[in-house]
Amino acid sequence: DQQVKQNSPSLSVQEGRISILNCDYTNSMFDYFLWYKKYPAEGPTFLISISSIKDKNEDGRFTVFLNKSAKHLSLHIVPSQPGDSAVYFCAASGGMYSGGGADGLTFGKGTHLIIQP
Amino acid sequence: SQTIHQWPATLVQPVGSPLSLECTVEGTSNPNLYWYRQAAGRGLQLLFYSIGIDQISSEVPQNLSASRPQDRQFILSSKKLLLSDSGFYLCAWSPKTDIQYFGAGTRLSVL
Repeated sequence: DQQVKQNSPSLSVQEGRISILNCDYTNSMFDYFLWYKKYPAEGPTFLISISSIKDKNEDGRFTVFLNKSAKHLSLHIVPSQPGDSAVYFCAASGGMYSGGGADGLTFGKGTHLIIQP
Repeated sequence: SQTIHQWPATLVQPVGSPLSLECTVEGTSNPNLYWYRQAAGRGLQLLFYSIGIDQISSEVPQNLSASRPQDRQFILSSKKLLLSDSGFYLCAWSPKTDIQYFGAGTRLSVL
């Protein structure tokens, strides 16, 4: 049973426009969420995260929104740039103070973002 | 600053051969360490995690094992590889928080 779902395998966005990547989760025990960016043949790079006590976290061009009641989060990239083309993974964990994340992260299958010139 | 090293980058092994992948972390002490696998077209699956030397937890029963002989060294092993062991293996570390930092990965092809 997939606890973290990214239902769009790919997304194509024009350069300069907004990219919105979506993620749904089923486990109500998750209380910390992360987004990673991955290029082919490389390890994932941490992008941005959000705690369940917040509904928004912003870092430069990247903003993550969390809707706990809907068990849904999204990553907004504005404006989209060619270097943003990559696979984006949504991940979740049981929380900062529940073993310090020792349980590992639960990942979605990823969304391949393609930024078109 | 902290860095994570993982090697080799690619590996081609015959079925039935042993496996040893190594991961080391620099610039920190007593990190949590993790092994993940990404199979083709799938997300990252947690295989093992460790909160300290010789403290290993397995998430998925399989043909693999892990060891942590030193504080910042994490090793993934197999005595006999199967075709289904092919995939992209990633080592990660965290400073006892939920944010994990990944190595460059090892592409393993079992033929």
